[in-house]
Amino acid sequence: EAEVAQSPRYKITEKSQAVAFWCDPISGHATLYWYRQILGQGPELLVQFQDESVVDDSQLPKDRFSAERLKGVDSTLKIQPAELGDSAMYLCASSKSYEQYFGPGTRLTVT
Amino acid sequence: GIQVEQSPPDLILQEGANSTLRCNFSDSVNNLQWFHQNPWGQLINLFYIPSGTKQNGRLSATTVATERYSLLYISSSQTTDSGVYFCAVYGNTGGFKTIFGAGTRLFVKA
Repeated sequence: EAEVAQSPRYKITEKSQAVAFWCDPISGHATLYWYRQILGQGPELLVQFQDESVVDDSQLPKDRFSAERLKGVDSTLKIQPAELGDSAMYLCASSKSYEQYFGPGTRLTVT
Repeated sequence: GIQVEQSPPDLILQEGANSTLRCNFSDSVNNLQWFHQNPWGQLINLFYIPSGTKQNGRLSATTVATERYSLLYISSSQTTDSGVYFCAVYGNTGGFKTIFGAGTRLFVKA
């Protein structure tokens, strides 16, 4: 069964450092989503791509976060510089129509 | 924007018991999904159910879109059902996007 792949699974970084996460969606899924999940809360959408175009990034803190999906397949989410409040689970999902499928996530700890 | 409320926030069950989880949403939505988040953080798809009723083994779900709620039924609960259950809706909240509820944390005791 096809799955969404994410790496790394865990990342510990010091504040003010740069960090990047990678996501490979299910083959054929045109829509890709990045979510942030703070402990004890539901996931919050950061950015949504349709192929290589950004559909929604209204909740992305653009002063430090960036996301790209250059060839409309895999995607990278970057944080620079990382802050203590960025500690969270970062989840990637993909969909062909509306039903979303999630990857295992990257758990980020900023010290 | 659309508000999504899940209840109860926490639930403790004895193995074998049945339960109903509820998801209320404040405005009309195009789609609704139920997920189970396991202890490792992975979100597992349970149901894609914008309307109607679906069943999958011991789980079933019903969405009444006109009344803005969805229910997830768990029958004969097992310890492996423990985790957090989320509903997520897709609707217009200053632009169409996916909104998650805060979840229901379920613990099933052996």
